[in-house]
Amino acid sequence: GQSLEQPSEVTAVEGAIVQINCTYQTSGFYGLSWYQQHDGGAPTFLSYNALDGLEETGRFSSFLSRSDSYGYLLLQELQMKDSASYFCAVKGSQGNLIFGKGTKLSVKP
Amino acid sequence: KAGVTQTPRYLIKTRGQQVTLSCSPISGHRSVSWYQQTPGQGLQFLFEYFSETQRNKGNFPGRFSGRQFSNSRSEMNVSTLELGDSALYLCASSFRETGADTGELFFGEGSRLTVL
Repeated sequence: GQSLEQPSEVTAVEGAIVQINCTYQTSGFYGLSWYQQHDGGAPTFLSYNALDGLEETGRFSSFLSRSDSYGYLLLQELQMKDSASYFCAVKGSQGNLIFGKGTKLSVKP
Repeated sequence: KAGVTQTPRYLIKTRGQQVTLSCSPISGHRSVSWYQQTPGQGLQFLFEYFSETQRNKGNFPGRFSGRQFSNSRSEMNVSTLELGDSALYLCASSFRETGADTGELFFGEGSRLTVL
């Protein structure tokens, strides 16, 4: 079957760097996505990695290693507004996106 | 361009009742997916529609059903509600035949269902 593992909670201080890891098991891999969801809000797409390596988008970067079935989301220069839940996701065998259970990031002043 | 719109945003039902939730995708998007979100369980896939056809279905009982109309709007129905159906129901759209192809889905803010 397919599954994704990510830490349930992470805490960091404003201005710091935090890394949220995601390991996955899937039959047939197409790419790893990351989503952000603020409390009471809609999940919003952050990034998609189909190939190995680091993709940078502003303060956020996403990394993928297909050989290790592993990826991470890196958030730099943390701001209070980054406090949210972050989900990794992969394409399942039926063609739909399967999400991890999410990592709740708390940014402290 | 308007985003994904879900109605109603909040609703309260009692056990045994049924509920219908509506989703209007982004204009031009023909794929609509539904997810159930509960605390600690993340997003659980319900079903996906493209051009009025159900393409995929998750592991939910037959009480959960859906459909898509010719204008790409979608509805999902839950019959014989149970307490465990209390959740945030999220709809997401994609212009591609399946949103998972690019890993990018556009989500609505959800319909929060409380079953008493």
